[in-house]
Amino acid sequence: KNEVEQSPQNLTAQEGEFITINCSYSVGISALHWLQQHPGGGIVSLFMLSSGKKKHGRLIATINIQEKHSSLHITASHPRDSAVYICAVSKETSGSRLTFGEGTQLTVNP
Amino acid sequence: NAGVTQTPKFRILKIGQSMTLQCTQDMNHNYMYWYRQDPGMGLKLIYYSVGAGITDKGEVPNGYNVSRSTTEDFPLRLELAAPSQTSVYFCASSYLRGGIYSNQPQHFGDGTRLSIL
Repeated sequence: KNEVEQSPQNLTAQEGEFITINCSYSVGISALHWLQQHPGGGIVSLFMLSSGKKKHGRLIATINIQEKHSSLHITASHPRDSAVYICAVSKETSGSRLTFGEGTQLTVNP
Repeated sequence: NAGVTQTPKFRILKIGQSMTLQCTQDMNHNYMYWYRQDPGMGLKLIYYSVGAGITDKGEVPNGYNVSRSTTEDFPLRLELAAPSQTSVYFCASSYLRGGIYSNQPQHFGDGTRLSIL
């Protein structure tokens, strides 16, 4: 079993819908990261969090340390949000090194 | 600032050939990483470096070598290319201060798509 599991693997939404992507992990962590991989392949960091909630524009990331679970929400989704969203954790035993989930392919249709 | 620059973007190799994937960053980051991404799988760490002259193995180091002679550059070498090394390779960097457990976001290059035939 992977140490970082994401769901769903694939998600199709209509423009304007509220989207939730989930990430569960089974190890002790010092931080959780959400990343976005564009259709062209580039990867950018969206959030890094170790507790609570962070918001940037229409994106919100939450984490529940006790339940070992994080969610990424997208409000008022838009076709330009179509991308692969990747959850990764910095394990307590691994310093800055990341352990990645398999990613969630999001497609937002107009 | 260019950030993290990887070259080449695409390459086709024959089995047994060697090549070096280049990675350079202009953000004065101390930590650098090499990952590979295979279809349907999460990124896997190949090698990483915590500073010039210091490198260490990640999860999947077999068949690869790295060096870190300067803060800016972290090349990845494939000595005898094998079909199993067909993948997309990403270089990343981050700046850590206050000890190895002070996390910061990683900055990624655009990737090198490598096919070995």
